[in-house]
Amino acid sequence: DAGVTQSPTHLIKTRGQHVTLRCSPISGHKSVSWYQQVLGQGPQFIFQYYEKEERGRGNFPDRFSARQFPNYSSELNVNALLLGDSALYLCASSQGPEADTQYFGPGTRLTVL
Amino acid sequence: AQSVTQLDSHVSVSEGTPVLLRCNYSSSYSPSLFWYVQHPNKGLQLLLKYTSAATLVKGINGFEAEFKKSETSFHLTKPSAHMSDAAEYFCVVSPSGTYKYIFGTGTRLKVLA
Repeated sequence: DAGVTQSPTHLIKTRGQHVTLRCSPISGHKSVSWYQQVLGQGPQFIFQYYEKEERGRGNFPDRFSARQFPNYSSELNVNALLLGDSALYLCASSQGPEADTQYFGPGTRLTVL
Repeated sequence: AQSVTQLDSHVSVSEGTPVLLRCNYSSSYSPSLFWYVQHPNKGLQLLLKYTSAATLVKGINGFEAEFKKSETSFHLTKPSAHMSDAAEYFCVVSPSGTYKYIFGTGTRLKVLA
């Protein structure tokens, strides 16, 4: 079975632009979570979606949004990019929404210039 | 508030000697606890998971961790380090009834030949 996949692998944007990151969960998994990992730090929780509904949101501004599609894939959108948004964005999938093992994708490396 | 503290940002061991990576957590109720490993330019891989069954949890690649409620600790150990164990290790808490993962700041393990 394929693991969690994310696209693109790398992305370079300039300040003020908008970006869309994509994630496909493991087959059969209905929950997708997004994390931001700044260099040298642990991942920080951004969103969780389960059965296409937002189940939780971390301490991130409204410039960050996400959605989950009927096939359980997900998009993370970031508007009005700032230099501080440069990070590795990780997607994780799990079968259920709570205390379930999350399986992580390889991440999308976003650089904002 | 729930949190997790990894007590060492860097640990160096010689190949063949024991590994100890320390983690303390703070959580209102019995949490789920995880250890993940992140090799350079690779995604996060689950090493092991504790969910209120046996307090000694065995994981992949010879790693194990012991849940000690009285000490609120979940330290990761391995009897004999291999060069391939060099990586970043993250302790994660998922409080009971919640959906989010809370990551520690990570411990970088260096294995000396």
